[in-house]
Amino acid sequence: QKEVEQDPGPLSVPEGAIVSLNCTYSNSAFQYFMWYRQYSRKGPELLMYTYSSGNKEDGRFTAQVDKSSKYISLFIRDSQPSDSATYLCAMSAIGTASKLTFGTGTRLQVTL
Amino acid sequence: SQTIHQWPATLVQPVGSPLSLECTVEGTSNPNLYWYRQAAGRGLQLLFYSVGIGQISSEVPQNLSASRPQDRQFILSSKKLLLSDSGFYLCAWGQGVVGANYGYTFGSGTRLTVV
Repeated sequence: QKEVEQDPGPLSVPEGAIVSLNCTYSNSAFQYFMWYRQYSRKGPELLMYTYSSGNKEDGRFTAQVDKSSKYISLFIRDSQPSDSATYLCAMSAIGTASKLTFGTGTRLQVTL
Repeated sequence: SQTIHQWPATLVQPVGSPLSLECTVEGTSNPNLYWYRQAAGRGLQLLFYSVGIGQISSEVPQNLSASRPQDRQFILSSKKLLLSDSGFYLCAWGQGVVGANYGYTFGSGTRLTVV
């Protein structure tokens, strides 16, 4: 079993829709949770960062962490064609030289 | 501000040839440095990480090696490439704060094709 599971998609939604992206994990030691966005042939860029459980909002993006269920989510409101990319979740435990474990990524396509 | 440079962007190499990919970071000191490989459908695989000059940790036994000759320079090498070394190689840096992880900044990547 992989430490981090993520549905690869692709996920296709119309412009303006609310998008929900999710990851599950098995390592209860994970405390830091992130979402990265990766455009084709580019390096990933950090979108959202959350420590432990709870919600965090940044513009159209909301990250949720439910440590009791080992489940994290990224919501994108009012999705735009420019949101079309692969979204990777990542997480790490304390004291692990800041090593991140990544999900395989979900490919999102926002259509006009 | 901090920036990370990675080159080359694209590389086509024959089987058995050597490899050297370089990554440099500007605007920070004593960063944690990482090399990842991304294969289609397999996500990001951590290859090496370094918490200081000359300190290299290998995550996966393989045909590759890494070195950190200077504080902000990280090099990925191979003496003889295999077909299975093809992939998208990403360098990243993170601030080495004990007990915390604020995420990495990635370089733009090198797409390596071994033929």
